[in-house]
Amino acid sequence: AQSVTQLDSQVPVFEEAPVELRCNYSSSVSVYLFWYVQYPNQGLQLLLKYLSGSTLVKGINGFEAEFNKSQTSFHLRKPSVHISDTAEYFCAVTNGGGNTGFQKLVFGTGTRLLVSP
Amino acid sequence: GAVVSQHPSRVICKSGTSVKIECRSLDFQATTMFWYRQFPKQSLMLMATSNEGSKATYEQGVEKDKFLINHASLTLSTLTVTSAHPEDSSFYICSGGGDYGYTFGSGTRLTVV
Repeated sequence: AQSVTQLDSQVPVFEEAPVELRCNYSSSVSVYLFWYVQYPNQGLQLLLKYLSGSTLVKGINGFEAEFNKSQTSFHLRKPSVHISDTAEYFCAVTNGGGNTGFQKLVFGTGTRLLVSP
Repeated sequence: GAVVSQHPSRVICKSGTSVKIECRSLDFQATTMFWYRQFPKQSLMLMATSNEGSKATYEQGVEKDKFLINHASLTLSTLTVTSAHPEDSSFYICSGGGDYGYTFGSGTRLTVV
């Protein structure tokens, strides 16, 4: 069974500072990895995903993440955050490679990013 | 890009009544639809997975007779909460799997009074 661990429930940061949101996963098979952002009372918006290829993935809004297979991590980073980045961020994993159809996403518990002026 | 339209965004119902939540994929065909439930300040909990034209597969602990899922076409899936009770109050989110990957609806806030 797969699992995702987001160690930080909340990350406070000042505007224009860099931030890293940590995500570690557990899986016995190859994986696809995702980061989503959720604003209050809204659905999830995809920030970026890793399916294969380059381990450094660039997403929307200046976010990027690096897939590290040896450390089973997929940490999300942004070099300079804005007030508008304040939201809940979810890391998710699903089975990768060779599957037919869509497999379910397993989500982490989320990290609340709080950006203050 | 892909859009999943989810309605209603908010609903308040009386205890004992049923509520239907609808998710439509607007510009793609959702071969698979996932239904999630989210409690305040918590993660998404998968309730069930449905493929067009077949019965939904429910996660362990989810009552299939209480949460009825219909995926009659590649663009429409519905979740009906039957005989709702206050403990069913939650945020429900659908996610369609199709050519654009996983696309999430905007969620439905259900309050049972």
